[in-house]
Amino acid sequence: DAGITQSPRHKVTETGTPVTLRCHQTENHRYMYWYRQDPGHGLRLIHYSYGVKDTDKGEVSDGYSVSRSKTEDFLLTLESATSSQTSVYFCAITPGLRDYGYTFGSGTRLTVV
Amino acid sequence: GESVGLHLPTLSVQEGDNSIINCAYSNSASDYFIWYKQESGKGPQFIIDIRSNMDKRQGQRVTVLLNKTVKHLSLQIAATQPGDSAVYFCAENQAGTALIFGKGTTLSVSS
Repeated sequence: DAGITQSPRHKVTETGTPVTLRCHQTENHRYMYWYRQDPGHGLRLIHYSYGVKDTDKGEVSDGYSVSRSKTEDFLLTLESATSSQTSVYFCAITPGLRDYGYTFGSGTRLTVV
Repeated sequence: GESVGLHLPTLSVQEGDNSIINCAYSNSASDYFIWYKQESGKGPQFIIDIRSNMDKRQGQRVTVLLNKTVKHLSLQIAATQPGDSAVYFCAENQAGTALIFGKGTTLSVSS
């Protein structure tokens, strides 16, 4: 999607290994989000950021950490990947909290074996 | 649990028909609602939004209706086309918090 890219697009990793997913934006938006999408659950919020070095937990944050050292990049780290973290991960950005839709990236499909 | 849900997980229509996708929300404090479309292998794409001070909003071939009395949201797609086949999500925003998404309805359009 224009202005937001996720990398990698696909990844297979082994249980117990650390994994980092990257979200990069060129829109200079303040707010960035990580969601996971699973069948039967829709999109669930993992973590979000409201500025450089300002982050907070979402609904399903256990086992995940995030970092935002500059406006354009928001990293999601799985400290020690588990099979339950097999999912499709989406990053989203928005310029403001009220009355703005989110722009989503194309997603990262992560498989933990 | 989910504060936003959809009445039907799947909806099948014929090309040219009008489609109606429904969504119920539980939080009366929600003041902003969005419909997203997600095609296979892609991220959700913004379709249309509506604020709680409105009952109806129209876009190109799409209309969103909001009934705050029964906490119900619907998306109407006019003259549905095969390219409309996708998963549709409603989302709600509660006083500036992060968007909460429903589980989605899969729309299948046959020609």
